[in-house]
Amino acid sequence: AQKITQTQPGMFVQEKEAVTLDCTYDTSDPSYGLFWYKQPSSGEMIFLIYQGSYDQQNATEGRYSLNFQKARKSANLVISASQLGDSAMYFCAMREGIKAAGNKLTFGGGTRVLVKP
Amino acid sequence: GAVVSQHPSWVICKSGTSVKIECRSLDFQATTMFWYRQFPKQSLMLMATSNEGSKATYEQGVEKDKFLINHASLTLSTLTVTSAHPEDSSFYICSVAPPGGGGGLSYNEQFFGPGTRLTVL
Repeated sequence: AQKITQTQPGMFVQEKEAVTLDCTYDTSDPSYGLFWYKQPSSGEMIFLIYQGSYDQQNATEGRYSLNFQKARKSANLVISASQLGDSAMYFCAMREGIKAAGNKLTFGGGTRVLVKP
Repeated sequence: GAVVSQHPSWVICKSGTSVKIECRSLDFQATTMFWYRQFPKQSLMLMATSNEGSKATYEQGVEKDKFLINHASLTLSTLTVTSAHPEDSSFYICSVAPPGGGGGLSYNEQFFGPGTRLTVL
């Protein structure tokens, strides 16, 4: 069974600084995808970044980058130059299979980030 | 990204009544939709996978007779909470999987609806 662990329930970060959100996963499937979502207080799920298990390079999307360490089964999210609007819940998720949108996502427990001015 | 709508966005009902929540895929036809539940300050938990034209697949611990899912068309899935009780109060979110591996999307993300907040009195 697949499992996602986010060990940081909450954290503060100073505006303009970088923050790293931890995510570890466990799966026996060699083909999988890792996702990060942002959930502001409105409740909507905002897709941030994706990393496939066979991707050679770490994924980047603007201020978001994913530190993918396959051997350690970790997929940490790095947010650079934090902004006040980054205050939200952040979820790591995994899906077994590549290019398999019809497969279910398993979510971690989430990390609440509060950016201080 | 693709647009997914949910209706209603919030609902308050009395204990014992049934509530229907709709999830619509507005940008593409979806053979697979997912229903999640999120309690306050918790993560999203998958309730069931809704497949067009067939029975939904429920996750362990989710009562299929209480949470009725109907995926009658390629753009609409409904979740009916039957005989709702206060413990069913939660945030219900659907997501939609694009067909055929996601078309031009390299990662085939699921697209989430805005959610429905259910409060049972």
